[in-house]
Formats: sequence, structure tokens, C-alpha cells
Amino acid sequence: SQTIHQWPATLVQPVGSPLSLECTVEGTSNPNLYWYRQAAGRGLQLLFYSVGIGQISSEVPQNLSASRPQDRQFILSSKKLLLSDSGFYLCAWSRGSRTEAFFGQGTRLTVV
Amino acid sequence: AQTVTQSQPEMSVQEAETVTLSCTYDTSESDYYLFWYKQPPSRQMILVIRQEAYKQQNATENRFSVNFQKAAKSFSLKISDSQLGDAAMYFCAYSSGNQFYFGTGTSLTVIP
Repeated sequence: SQTIHQWPATLVQPVGSPLSLECTVEGTSNPNLYWYRQAAGRGLQLLFYSVGIGQISSEVPQNLSASRPQDRQFILSSKKLLLSDSGFYLCAWSRGSRTEAFFGQGTRLTVV
Repeated sequence: AQTVTQSQPEMSVQEAETVTLSCTYDTSESDYYLFWYKQPPSRQMILVIRQEAYKQQNATENRFSVNFQKAAKSFSLKISDSQLGDAAMYFCAYSSGNQFYFGTGTSLTVIP
């Protein structure tokens, strides 16, 4: 069966510090991978998606970036965090278009 | 860009009663998929139901059913015989190609 792991679960970082959130998927190959951010009381905002190694599509211009160094690994990064980067970050995968997305447990990021 | 709109930030329902959550979307695509996800307090995203746009028949999953109106671009979720465990945030989602877009969510309260 397929599983998705996302870590860390919670993170408190000072403004201006770097960020690295990691997501890995097991039990499938060549998944579509997604990073979402959920601000307090708001919906899920699609940040990045990837259909293959090294292929990253950005939905929202910001100080975040994503990378896919391996088939089932997706990393969300920032060189310098802003207060506005606080939120709940969710990684997800799907088998491709026209199928449901499966989500990780999420990371609660607080920038102080 | 595709958009998903949930116009009801909060809804409440008496236990054992029926409630309908609304969702509209905007797209120029003819082939797409629609989903309802549930996010309980644990914040784990759980797929409730899915609908393929090419299917005229409304999807059902036990107590959950949808009313899919393609021409009106409407996709509502009906929860019958509401249970306390149904209390959660509900998100409508649209998928076409490799992208998933979510609405802002409806917070459902179930009153004992």
C-alpha cells in the first residue's frame, strides 16, 4: 500500500531563518506531488506541483521554492522566512490527473 | 485559472438530520474531476466522495451524496443522517490535468 510521510509535524522558526520541509511517498512510482499551504481559517492554497524529477511548477510567486531530487521525494524550502509564511503545510500525491490526492499529516509552521 | 468557491464558511446541523454544503467552480475544461474532502480537528485530509465530470449520474457513498450540475458548474454535498463524527471542515476540490484546486472550506458543526 502507498504511504506518504511528511516532517516535521511542528516547527517554530525565527524570521529570516531558512526552511526545509520534506515529504516522501512509498509504495508507488512517478507520483504527482503537491505542496499546499493552509492559513488560519482559509482553504488550501496550491504552492507547487511536480509531475517528475526536477519538474516543478509554481502557482504562487513568493519566497518559497520546491525541489524534487528523487522520484518520491518533494522538498519545500525557503532561504529567509517571513512572518507571513506561518501556516499549515500539506504535502500530497496522486497517481496522475483525474485521480484523488492523498495527503500527509501536515506541518504546522510558526514564524516568530 | 480555475477557481473553487464555497460560499458557506460555517454550517450547523442537528444530529440525524440532513445538511447540504454548496460548491461552485469555474473552468473552461470539459474533462475534470470534483472531490469533497473532510478535515477533522486532527487536520488529516480524508477523501469523502469523487465525481467525474463526464458522468451524469451523481456519486454516492453511504450517507454522502452529491448534486452535480455541470452546466451550472455546481457540486454540492449532501450528508444524510448526520453524526457527531461528521463535524469537520469540508473542502470542495477540482482537478484537471495535473493540478488540484481547493475551495476555502465549510466548517460543519453537528448539534447533539
